[in-house]
Amino acid sequence: DAGVIQSPRHEVTEMGQEVTLRCKPISGHDYLFWYRQTMMRGLELLIYFNNNVPIDDSGMPEDRFSAKMPNASFSTLKIQPSEPRDSAVYFCASSPTGGLNQPQHFGDGTRLSIL
Amino acid sequence: AQSVTQPDIHITVSEGASLELRCNYSYGATPYLFWYVQSPGQGLQLLLKYFSGDTLVQGIKGFEAEFKRSQSSFNLRKPSVHWSDAAEYFCAVGGTEYGNKLVFGAGTILRVKS
Repeated sequence: DAGVIQSPRHEVTEMGQEVTLRCKPISGHDYLFWYRQTMMRGLELLIYFNNNVPIDDSGMPEDRFSAKMPNASFSTLKIQPSEPRDSAVYFCASSPTGGLNQPQHFGDGTRLSIL
Repeated sequence: AQSVTQPDIHITVSEGASLELRCNYSYGATPYLFWYVQSPGQGLQLLLKYFSGDTLVQGIKGFEAEFKRSQSSFNLRKPSVHWSDAAEYFCAVGGTEYGNKLVFGAGTILRVKS
């Protein structure tokens, strides 16, 4: 089991640039979650998908953020345009069918720095 | 609003000493409860979970937690801490009142002194 794979591990870019974060969930997992972790706000759920369909995006901070899941093995989180306050660690997690009976498996995260 | 409280931001214990990390939640029914651990530069790893049944649950790495409905608590314990346990620990709560989502506490940073 390869686990949840996120890329890149680190991203440094200038404000105004487009940023794309990538996630490959564990094979067979039906749920995919995107989280953001900051010192000020802790771990926040941004959006989650079930069977590639976005179910709840109420945590997406604003229209500059978008997420897609074109197939069961790939998801992206895009920020356009990026701002310094978007600097954070972004985690992707996946879980199998079963809702909260099944724990979420986290990737190692993408550390994003917007200058 | 539903919430999860970890009252201790930092805890320092000596190696070999016992550990208890506190977690309190607000929720109407019996929630799904989890403890995760995060080492620097890594993602969160599940330590243990509680859904129903025996209120004392065993997890990995020698950790256990006890669900106490009357106190709305789910405290994490370990009888003897090892230096490798130094990390940040998160309590998380989920249930129908939260949708299919987890709400995480702010985390407790554990330091282990030798």
